Amino acid sequence: NAGVMQNPRHLVRRRGQEARLRCSPMKGHSHVYWYRQLPEEGLKFMVYLQKENIIDESGMPKERFSAEFPKEGPSILRIQQVVRGDSAAYFCASSPARDRGSYEQYFGPGTRLTVT
Amino acid sequence: QQQVKQSPQSLIVQKGGISIINCAYENTAFDYFPWYQQFPGKGPALLIAIRPDVSEKKEGRFTISFNKSAKQFSLHIMDSQPGDSATYFCAASRNWGKLQFGAGTQVVVTP
Repeated sequence: NAGVMQNPRHLVRRRGQEARLRCSPMKGHSHVYWYRQLPEEGLKFMVYLQKENIIDESGMPKERFSAEFPKEGPSILRIQQVVRGDSAAYFCASSPARDRGSYEQYFGPGTRLTVT
Repeated sequence: QQQVKQSPQSLIVQKGGISIINCAYENTAFDYFPWYQQFPGKGPALLIAIRPDVSEKKEGRFTISFNKSAKQFSLHIMDSQPGDSATYFCAASRNWGKLQFGAGTQVVVTP
């Protein structure tokens, strides 16, 4: 039973380039959350998505960041025109459908983005 | 503002000892309180979680104590082992929503 999968695990981008981070939730999970962890800091919520819907994007920076979770395929976190301050570990978590009564969020291994 | 406050920032405990980490929250609408364990370079792993209708939950060497009136909850790691050396995060959420994390506690278990 595969866990949450994220790729790439490491990503290096130059300032001004685009970064695309992918997340495949656990089998049977229909809810995806993205979190960011800056060096030596805690985890900060970015966005919460269901298939084809953004449920809560209150943690997303207003510019350059976007997220989607299409009907088919992985969830994508997209960062346009990256800056050095975007360097961080980006984690995806997934949880089951609400009618299963489960609150757990299971995290993937993360994508470590380095902006040079 | 930080909705979940965690202490201590770091903790050193001898093998076999008890590690205790505390968290306090402000939002009384929170209805789910998990603890995560994170090793360097890895993703957070769900350790144990509690709902506010329960005052204590135990799984193996890990116990959550929950005090609804004080808006506090804590993690106790019994018989701490060197393999428990990691960073521990408490969190809280409402209605299956986003997790709001504490700042983390780095635990070092000495042999």
